[in-house]
Amino acid sequence: SQTIHQWPATLVQPVGSPLSLECTVEGTSNPNLYWYRQAAGRGLQLLFYSVGIGQISSEVPQNLSASRPQDRQFILSSKKLLLSDSGFYLCAWILAGISSYNEQFFGPGTRLTVL
Amino acid sequence: ILNVEQSPQSLHVQEGDSTNFTCSFPSSNFYALHWYRWETAKSPEALFVMTLNGDEKKKGRISATLNTKEGYSYLYIKGSQPEDSATYLCAFSGGNNRLAFGKGNQVVVIP
Repeated sequence: SQTIHQWPATLVQPVGSPLSLECTVEGTSNPNLYWYRQAAGRGLQLLFYSVGIGQISSEVPQNLSASRPQDRQFILSSKKLLLSDSGFYLCAWILAGISSYNEQFFGPGTRLTVL
Repeated sequence: ILNVEQSPQSLHVQEGDSTNFTCSFPSSNFYALHWYRWETAKSPEALFVMTLNGDEKKKGRISATLNTKEGYSYLYIKGSQPEDSATYLCAFSGGNNRLAFGKGNQVVVIP
């Protein structure tokens, strides 16, 4: 069966510090991978998605970047965090072409607080 | 940017009462409408995938309907229980491997 991992679960970082959040998927190959953020009082916002190694699409301009160095690994990064980067970050995956109408499966999330 | 609206944003329900809330979405380029249940400190879990106009899905005391022509879906909880407390997310798919989420309906069931 497929599982998705995210770490860390919670993170408190000062403004201006770097960020690295990691997401890995087990039990599948060549998934589409997604990074979402839920900021306070807002809905889930798609940040990045990837259809393959090294292929990253950005949905909104922001202070963050993403990379996919391996098939089942998706990394969210920032060189200098802003206060507005605080939120709950979720990684998700689908198996393109097989998933039920693009149903996505989510990881446990990372709560990021920037102070 | 796709506009997916959910209302009401939050609601308190007495245990045993039934309730419902709405998700509205674009009526053009419809592919699927997803409902997720999201409990605090857990991952969102899929409840329903709805694809056809007039679809009705049911899982236990929770059910959903779909109107793709007018662009809305209703989620119903019958006889609410404390374990139903969660945020219910709807997500619109236009068929391009991406989902557009609403802000969610936060439900608190009061014992």
